[in-house]
Amino acid sequence: QKEVEQDPGPLSVPEGAIVSLNCTYSNSAFQYFMWYRQYSRKGPELLMYTYSSGNKEDGRFTAQVDKSSKYISLFIRDSQPSDSATYLCAPQTGGGNKLTFGTGTQLKVEL
Amino acid sequence: DTGVSQNPRHKITKRGQNVTFRCDPISEHNRLYWYRQTLGQGPEFLTYFQNEAQLEKSRLLSDRFSAERPKGSFSTLEIQRTEQGDSAMYLCASSPGRVPYEQYFGPGTRLTVT
Repeated sequence: QKEVEQDPGPLSVPEGAIVSLNCTYSNSAFQYFMWYRQYSRKGPELLMYTYSSGNKEDGRFTAQVDKSSKYISLFIRDSQPSDSATYLCAPQTGGGNKLTFGTGTQLKVEL
Repeated sequence: DTGVSQNPRHKITKRGQNVTFRCDPISEHNRLYWYRQTLGQGPEFLTYFQNEAQLEKSRLLSDRFSAERPKGSFSTLEIQRTEQGDSAMYLCASSPGRVPYEQYFGPGTRLTVT
């Protein structure tokens, strides 16, 4: 079993929809929870991160972590075609020695 | 542009050849990481440096792989006697080295072994 599980999709939604992207993890030592966006044949781009449990909002994006259930979520409001990309969750321990990535969820926002 | 840069962007090599990739981190970032990504998968950790010291290596990093960061600035990743299974995107990231240790990635080097 992988340390981080993520549904690979693809997930197709209409423009303006609310998107929910999710990961589960098994390592209780994870403290920081990053979300990256990756366009085809590009490097991952850091979107946002949260520390421990709780919510964090940045514009149209909200990240949520529930450490009791080891569940990570990213919500995208008013989705746009430019949001079409692969979204990767990547938790890490407090020492910051490495990110452990999920497989990524491919999102397509259609006009 | 002051982001992470990687060279070359693409490399095609024949099986058995040696290849070397270079990564230039964001200025003043003291941590530098290497990851490998294959199609349909998330990046997998290979190794990381704090300044010039290599602090951790994944078991994915076989004896054919070696990484250096001689002056604590740029880093090189060398693969000796390449195999077809080495074909992947090699990603470099840097971090300021303090919590939350957010990592910023370069565009990657795509290696194809024929």
